[in-house]
Amino acid sequence: DQQVKQNSPSLSVQEGRISILNCDYTNSMFDYFLWYKKYPAEGPTFLISISSIKDKNEDGRFTVFLNKSAKHLSLHIVPSQPGDSAVYFCAASPYTGGFKTIFGAGTRLFVKA
Amino acid sequence: DTAVSQTPKYLVTQMGNDKSIKCEQNLGHDTMYWYKQDSKKFLKIMFSYNNKELIINETVPNRFSPKSPDKAHLNLHINSLELGDSAVYFCASSGEQGLNEKLFFGSGTQLSVL
Repeated sequence: DQQVKQNSPSLSVQEGRISILNCDYTNSMFDYFLWYKKYPAEGPTFLISISSIKDKNEDGRFTVFLNKSAKHLSLHIVPSQPGDSAVYFCAASPYTGGFKTIFGAGTRLFVKA
Repeated sequence: DTAVSQTPKYLVTQMGNDKSIKCEQNLGHDTMYWYKQDSKKFLKIMFSYNNKELIINETVPNRFSPKSPDKAHLNLHINSLELGDSAVYFCASSGEQGLNEKLFFGSGTQLSVL
């Protein structure tokens, strides 16, 4: 029962271009969404988040878009840099909190120089 | 100064053994977690503790027993290890009382059961 789905296991992008990572969710109780970035042999680190009351949140080169009706969010990285090469996890938590964040399987991003 | 540290980083052991993974956070957070990253790369929550009290216990075998001596520590003890326990285990913490929490993760413990 995958409540958070990242259907693209990997994505390859040229340096300087836009990277778009997608995420779909099924649980209407989710109201807070996060993206984490993970390098090999390290733990995931928080990148950016968005509350369900918004449809866009921007932080530097990173922008997250939320489409609640479609239960879809995306992470845009512009411009992409080789150092962005990592695994990106989409995550969601319900408005009741409950100390429970559900993660997707991750998308491995390759940014080619 | 590492915020969330877990040891060991690698653990190779035989089936049937008992092992522990330790986790400590120096962020002053009230909530700590154990996540398991399985072979399909999903990060699945196992346990959550808030101020030393168990909050979440997902459908994890009883062989897995978390222990929180204080709110800065959450250790994971695993009895009678099985092949299927091989995975990467991540400790994490958050300070937001479980609501809209941003998690801080340790670097992971790669457990290999032979």
